[in-house]
Amino acid sequence: QKEVEQNSGPLSVPEGAIASLNCTYSDRGSQSFFWYRQYSGKSPELIMFIYSNGDKEDGRFTAQLNKASQYVSLLIRDSQPSDSATYLCAVEKGSTLGRLYFGRGTQLTVWP
Amino acid sequence: EAQVTQNPRYLITVTGKKLTVTCSQNMNHEYMSWYRQDPGLGLRQIYYSMNVEVTDKGDVPEGYKVSRKEKRNFPLILESPSPNQTSLYFCASSFAQGGTEAFFGQGTRLTVV
Repeated sequence: QKEVEQNSGPLSVPEGAIASLNCTYSDRGSQSFFWYRQYSGKSPELIMFIYSNGDKEDGRFTAQLNKASQYVSLLIRDSQPSDSATYLCAVEKGSTLGRLYFGRGTQLTVWP
Repeated sequence: EAQVTQNPRYLITVTGKKLTVTCSQNMNHEYMSWYRQDPGLGLRQIYYSMNVEVTDKGDVPEGYKVSRKEKRNFPLILESPSPNQTSLYFCASSFAQGGTEAFFGQGTRLTVV
């Protein structure tokens, strides 16, 4: 089983819709979870991090964490064409600070 | 301006010729890390460093070396590059552990022929 798995894409949603990106992880001791956005040909950029169970909102983005189910998700409300990118889920290994595992990414396309 | 600077951005080299990719950050971050990104495999951690003189292996450390003699610099060394190290490399830095306020460099596209 891979350390971090993301729902296979690509994901395509119309402008204004909610995009839902999902991620599961295998290390039950993991405490830190991150979502990165990567535009084609560019570097990843951190958009959300979450440490506690529940929801964390930042503008149009909401990260959701359920440690019991080992599941983390990212919701993008009112999706815009500028949100079209690959979204990477990353999990910090529970017992080893600094040791990050990335999922393979989900490509999101928001069409006008 | 807060940034992580990698050099070079592009490099074509031959098998076995030692090379160094430099990474420098100006944010006084303790944590720095190297990743490679390959199609279908995503980002994989090569080495990371929690502070000066502290480095640890990531997913794919074979064939790579790193050093952290100063807080701002974290070079990646390929002593004897091979074609399977052809990849897109990213350096990243952040405060403390994990990815809080993580910044990535622009990337280095390396081709080994």
